[in-house]
Amino acid sequence: AQTVTQSQPEMSVQEAETVTLSCTYDTSESDYYLFWYKQPPSRQMILVIRQEAYKQQNATENRFSVNFQKAAKSFSLKISDSQLGDAAMYFCASWGGDSNYQLIWGAGTKLIIKP
Amino acid sequence: DTEVTQTPKHLVMGMTNKKSLKCEQHMGHRAMYWYKQKAKKPPELMFVYSYEKLSINESVPSRFSPECPNSSLLNLHLHALQPEDSALYLCASSLTGGRSNQPQHFGDGTRLSIL
Repeated sequence: AQTVTQSQPEMSVQEAETVTLSCTYDTSESDYYLFWYKQPPSRQMILVIRQEAYKQQNATENRFSVNFQKAAKSFSLKISDSQLGDAAMYFCASWGGDSNYQLIWGAGTKLIIKP
Repeated sequence: DTEVTQTPKHLVMGMTNKKSLKCEQHMGHRAMYWYKQKAKKPPELMFVYSYEKLSINESVPSRFSPECPNSSLLNLHLHALQPEDSALYLCASSLTGGRSNQPQHFGDGTRLSIL
């Protein structure tokens, strides 16, 4: 069964510094998609970045980038120039399960930004 | 601004009450989802509608009854809930159901408390 693992329950970073959140996954499929979502205290789950497995180039979105290591099945999220508004729960997710509609979620990492 | 609108934002109900949660999107998405989320946990998939037809029911108790009146609306009818049903209920939509690089877009959720 496909799994997604986030091994860091909580991370903290000084404002303006860089932080990396880790995510590993396990899949037997050759074509898959990976996502990072952010959920601030306001509750809305917001897409941060996505990666297609067939693309070798790492995805970037402004201050957010991923380090996608396909052979190692690793999909870490790097946040540069951390801002107070980045404080949130971060979830890594991938399509998986027995159906085509189910996202498999990691347990989440709580990111704290120190002013 | 969220493109998936959920109402109400908060709901307190007794175990004998009947209430409904509503979700609306106008992005032309054809797949809509209900999730249940406990504090500091990832969302748990409850139901999926694809092209207005129920595609997935993740063994959810019958006290939760979903309804998709049209492609833009999704309801979750609640009846005789238990205290353990207290949670954040998230609605999401995606362009199409199924595995792709198309992400799910989430609403702000309804915070449900069962007395």
